[in-house]
Amino acid sequence: AQTVTQSQPEMSVQEAETVTLSCTYDTSESDYYLFWYKQPPSRQMILVIRQEAYKQQNATENRFSVNFQKAAKSFSLKISDSQLGDAAMYFCAMGNYGGSQGNLIFGKGTKLSVKP
Amino acid sequence: ETGVTQSPTHLIKTRGQQVTLRCSSQSGHNTVSWYQQALGQGPQFIFQYYREEENGRGNFPPRFSGLQFPNYSSELNVNALELDDSALYLCASSLRAGAEQYFGPGTRLTVT
Repeated sequence: AQTVTQSQPEMSVQEAETVTLSCTYDTSESDYYLFWYKQPPSRQMILVIRQEAYKQQNATENRFSVNFQKAAKSFSLKISDSQLGDAAMYFCAMGNYGGSQGNLIFGKGTKLSVKP
Repeated sequence: ETGVTQSPTHLIKTRGQQVTLRCSSQSGHNTVSWYQQALGQGPQFIFQYYREEENGRGNFPPRFSGLQFPNYSSELNVNALELDDSALYLCASSLRAGAEQYFGPGTRLTVT
């Protein structure tokens, strides 16, 4: 069975500081991809960043970057220069190209608070 | 470009009733996935539709059914509602299976 685990239910960061959210996963698939999604109180899930498992280079999107450790099955999200608007639930998710390709498996989420 | 939209925003139903939730996919997207998000949990995959055919299903009973129309909009139908069906229902569309999924704002269903 494929699983995604986020071990930090809540995290807090000072505005302008850097924070890292952790995610580990388990899969027997060799070809898969990973996402971080952000869900603000407005509820709409927003795609933050995507990482293909076959790519060794870590994905980056402006202030957001990942540390993808394939052997360790770890996929952490680093947010630099944190802003008040970054406060939200963050979900790590995994998908694969085989079988049911629509099946994104999500972790339980990490609630990030940003202090001014 | 119009994003993913869902209707209604909120819904209150009684146990045993039936409900239909609607989703319009993002322009150009032919794949729609539905997820159930219970309070304090991550979304759980219900099923996916690709070009009007079901293309995968999660661990949900048959009383959860769906439909995709020629314009790629979609419906989620739930029969014989149970209290545990109370959740946020999210729809996501993508260019193809395996591509980035873009989510709608969700429908909050409350079953009393």
